[in-house]
Amino acid sequence: DTAVSQTPKYLVTQMGNDKSIKCEQNLGHDTMYWYKQDSKKFLKIMFSYNNKELIINETVPNRFSPKSPDKAHLNLHINSLELGDSAVYFCASSQGTSTFGQETQYFGPGTRLLVL
Amino acid sequence: AQSVAQPEDQVNVAEGNPLTVKCTYSVSGNPYLFWYVQYPNRGLQFLLKYITGDNLVKGSYGFEAEFNKSQTSFHLKKPSALVSDSALYFCAVRDIGSNYQLIWGAGTKLIIKP
Repeated sequence: DTAVSQTPKYLVTQMGNDKSIKCEQNLGHDTMYWYKQDSKKFLKIMFSYNNKELIINETVPNRFSPKSPDKAHLNLHINSLELGDSAVYFCASSQGTSTFGQETQYFGPGTRLLVL
Repeated sequence: AQSVAQPEDQVNVAEGNPLTVKCTYSVSGNPYLFWYVQYPNRGLQFLLKYITGDNLVKGSYGFEAEFNKSQTSFHLKKPSALVSDSALYFCAVRDIGSNYQLIWGAGTKLIIKP
């Protein structure tokens, strides 16, 4: 059973297109995240949702919009894709914030986005 | 500002030898520290964490890490390296001042040679 799953695994698209990446977790966690990993493997938090509410929104272009239909899902929609958006996008989840800061994040396998 | 540093881009170790991957941190309060491993074309996997208590933390795959408050370090160690340990290792510290998001190191590539 996959704990945190993402679809698609690979995404190749043209500049200017709009695309979505889906994430689902079956761990019963309250908090979900989106990370971007660039070509140098550097990880950067993009967004975090807790019980469907946005709690972290780092400086990312407005073209990126997260949507959380329920606490088990956090999707990422990207408008007007640019070359610089090429990266690996990771979804993660963690248990609720009752033990602030102590919870472990569990990661999905990643979505490799290539913008041509 | 909270930060974490992994001073080595790459560490090379012969199989069977002990390995150490270094991590230092800077926080304003008590640190919550984590180690993750990323195998090629895979997501990150949790190895271990330090929250409180014993300074020596044991984790998955035979790894352990030692929390040293005076040196603000949290080095990852393993007594005997395996070729299969070759991967990218990330250290992270919890930022209690920013919605508890994780602050990540740049990663250290560990290469174990047969």
